[in-house]
Amino acid sequence: QVHLVESGGGVVQPGRSLRVSCAASGFTFGSYAMHWVRQAPGKGLEWVSHISFDGSNKFYADSVKGRFTISRDNSKNTLSLQMNSLRYEDTAVYYCARPPWRCSSPTCYSPLDYWGQGTLVTVSS
Amino acid sequence: DIQMTQSPSSLSVSVGDRVTITCRASQGISNSLAWYQQKPGKAPKLLLYAASRVATGVPSRFSGTGSGTDYTLTISSLQPEDFATYYCQQYESIQYTFGQGTKVEIK
Repeated sequence: QVHLVESGGGVVQPGRSLRVSCAASGFTFGSYAMHWVRQAPGKGLEWVSHISFDGSNKFYADSVKGRFTISRDNSKNTLSLQMNSLRYEDTAVYYCARPPWRCSSPTCYSPLDYWGQGTLVTVSS
Repeated sequence: DIQMTQSPSSLSVSVGDRVTITCRASQGISNSLAWYQQKPGKAPKLLLYAASRVATGVPSRFSGTGSGTDYTLTISSLQPEDFATYYCQQYESIQYTFGQGTKVEIK
């Protein structure tokens, strides 16, 4: 079955960088767009970024644009989020998520059906 | 960006009650609307998509309606396992946005 496992979270100082990853299994990873969604402690859900199935199209929330970079390695079934210039307000659980269906269009928007367990990123001095 | 306004932010209900949660978009989203359930310490779970389509494995007591800017999630008879926080989300625009959540608590 579909399995998404995030890793790489931890405590990092403001202004520093961190890379979180998501290992995917149980499906043809290279056929699906992927997303990152985050949730600050005690707060609601915030969509962060989306990458098309082949990595050719990437989209970001305004709050992270220019600081975060999403990428994927379809040969290793891995999704990544490089986070630079981290701020206190980036503290959150970061989830990777997959839509319920494949889409070959870079502008295929869809709900998020499969989620990992999340990895906690804490920005603190 | 499309803003999603969800109401109420919380409600206290009893097992067996009918529960209705609403979500209003700042512009029309053409039924590109999903509902999620989240329990403490867990990832969100997709309940409905396309405003009214029930996701695989979701009980029939969950239903959704709406069009344009206004959408509703209804739980026909609340069960003990339904106490959770519910979020709406639009996917009409790639800048996906979520409502602020509705916490359903035991009365």
